[in-house]
Amino acid sequence: KAGVTQTPRYLIKTRGQQVTLSCSPISGHRSVSWYQQTPGQGLQFLFEYFSETQRNKGNFPGRFSGRQFSNSRSEMNVSTLELGDSALYLCASSLRDRVTNSPLHFGNGTRLTVT
Amino acid sequence: AQSVTQPDIHITVSEGASLELRCNYSYGATPYLFWYVQSPGQGLQLLLKYFSGDTLVQGIKGFEAEFKRSQSSFNLRKPSVHWSDAAEYFCAVGTPDGQNFVFGPGTRLSVLP
Repeated sequence: KAGVTQTPRYLIKTRGQQVTLSCSPISGHRSVSWYQQTPGQGLQFLFEYFSETQRNKGNFPGRFSGRQFSNSRSEMNVSTLELGDSALYLCASSLRDRVTNSPLHFGNGTRLTVT
Repeated sequence: AQSVTQPDIHITVSEGASLELRCNYSYGATPYLFWYVQSPGQGLQLLLKYFSGDTLVQGIKGFEAEFKRSQSSFNLRKPSVHWSDAAEYFCAVGTPDGQNFVFGPGTRLSVLP
């Protein structure tokens, strides 16, 4: 079974631009979560989508948004990029059907650099 | 809200030595507990998990962890470390309602030859 796929792997953007990152979960997984990882802040939860609905949201500004499609693929968008948005963005999928607490399966991330 | 602490930011051990990485959590009930490992430039990989039952759980790559309710701890151990174990290790807490995970800050492990 294929793992979680994130594209692109690396991205360089200029301050003020916007960016869209993509995540394809493991087949059959309906939950997709996004995390931002930086050396100073560690792993910070952005949001979780389950069956196309945002189920949880972390403490990030509205510039960060996401969505999930009917095939469970997810995208996250960051508008008006700031230098501080430079980070590794990790996507994770799981079954997470509210009954079981199935583990998260992570992709290798998208490394975003804002200049 | 639950929280996770990993007291050691960076640990260095010699290859072949034993390892223990500490994890303490704060949660009103028994949470679901996880250890993940992240190699440089990679995503996180699940090492092991505890949901209920036997408090000593075995994971992949020769790792084990012990849940101690009285100490609110879930420490990760390995009897003999290999150079390939050098990575960052994250402890995580999941709430039984399946709403979210909270990750600890991570412990970076260096292995000396």
